Amino acid sequence: AQSVTQPDIHITVSEGASLELRCNYSYGATPYLFWYVQSPGQGLQLLLKYFSGDTLVQGIKGFEAEFKRSQSSFNLRKPSVHWSDAAEYFCAVSGGGNKLTFGTGTQLKVEL
Amino acid sequence: NAGVTQTPKFRVLKTGQSMTLLCAQDMNHEYMYWYRQDPGMGLRLIHYSVGEGTTAKGEVPDGYNVSRLKKQNFLLGLESAAPSQTSVYFCASNRVDYEQYFGPGTRLTVT
Repeated sequence: AQSVTQPDIHITVSEGASLELRCNYSYGATPYLFWYVQSPGQGLQLLLKYFSGDTLVQGIKGFEAEFKRSQSSFNLRKPSVHWSDAAEYFCAVSGGGNKLTFGTGTQLKVEL
Repeated sequence: NAGVTQTPKFRVLKTGQSMTLLCAQDMNHEYMYWYRQDPGMGLRLIHYSVGEGTTAKGEVPDGYNVSRLKKQNFLLGLESAAPSQTSVYFCASNRVDYEQYFGPGTRLTVT
């Protein structure tokens, strides 16, 4: 069965600092990987996705993620965090785009 | 393009009452999904549909029923609501093997 682990429940960073959110997955074949962001009281917005090809993927809002098959990881990064990035971030895996399995989320707080 | 819409946005039910949540998408997507979101648990798949007239169980289907009579609509029903079904419910849709698009959510409280 597929699964996703986001080891950090809460992360606090200062505005302008770099960010890395961790995601480890378990999947028997080549996974489709996603990062979604959820602002308070809102739905989920796709930040980026990995289906195949280049293992470093660029997303919206200046985010990027790197797929590392050997480590079963898909960590999300941003070089300089803005106060508006404060939100909850979810990593997800599937065998296509379908039947997503989500991690439990990482709550990001940005200190001004 | 409205994308994925959900009705209602908020609802309070008493234990034992029934209700139906409506999800609509205008992107002609084949696949549709219902998830529930609970604190510290991420989103969990309740039921999904791979096309009009089809439904299938997800990870947490007990206590819920679904129907997909039209391609653009996916209904989630609670026949006899329980406090354990207090949650935020999200609908999503996608084309096969593409990313899912999510609705804004329905916050349900069962007292």
